Amino acid sequence: AQTVTQSQPEMSVQEAETVTLSCTYDTSESDYYLFWYKQPPSRQMILVIRQEAYKQQNATENRFSVNFQKAAKSFSLKISDSQLGDAAMYFCAYRSEWNQGGKLIFGQGTELSVKP
Amino acid sequence: DTEVTQTPKHLVMGMTNKKSLKCEQHMGHRAMYWYKQKAKKPPELMFVYSYEKLSINESVPSRFSPECPNSSLLNLHLHALQPEDSALYLCASSQGQKNTEAFFGQGTRLTVV
Repeated sequence: AQTVTQSQPEMSVQEAETVTLSCTYDTSESDYYLFWYKQPPSRQMILVIRQEAYKQQNATENRFSVNFQKAAKSFSLKISDSQLGDAAMYFCAYRSEWNQGGKLIFGQGTELSVKP
Repeated sequence: DTEVTQTPKHLVMGMTNKKSLKCEQHMGHRAMYWYKQKAKKPPELMFVYSYEKLSINESVPSRFSPECPNSSLLNLHLHALQPEDSALYLCASSQGQKNTEAFFGQGTRLTVV
């Protein structure tokens, strides 16, 4: 079975600084997708970024980028120029390419606070 | 329109009540999901519907009964719930079950008294 681990329950960053959230996962599959979701106090899960396992190039979305290390099964999220609106719970998630009907397997989450 | 709409946003129900949660999307997505989320915990999958057919039931108690009347709607019928069922219930949809990201609604905060 696949597992996702986020080892940082809480992180804090100064506004305009850079922060990196860690995520590791375990799988025997070769084809899969990885996601970072953001959940602010409004409760809605918002997709931040996705990475296809077959792509070597790291995904980027504006201030958000990932460091995907397939061999090490590591998928960290870097947030540059942090803003107050980035404060939220961040979940790393795994999705199999072929199995489990589209089920997302989430890590335990990292609560990010942004200090002005 | 990239929204998944859930109603109601908040619900308080007694253990003998029957209520329903509703989820709607107009993105043409053919897979829809129910997740349950406890405070400070990740969402846990409950059900998956693919092309209006139930494809996954994660051993959810029968007091939760899903229904997919059409490709845009997903309901979760609740009956004889327990206080421990109090949680945030999230609906999500995706274009298919494979290789597409899921879009989530804002959830229904359920309290069972």
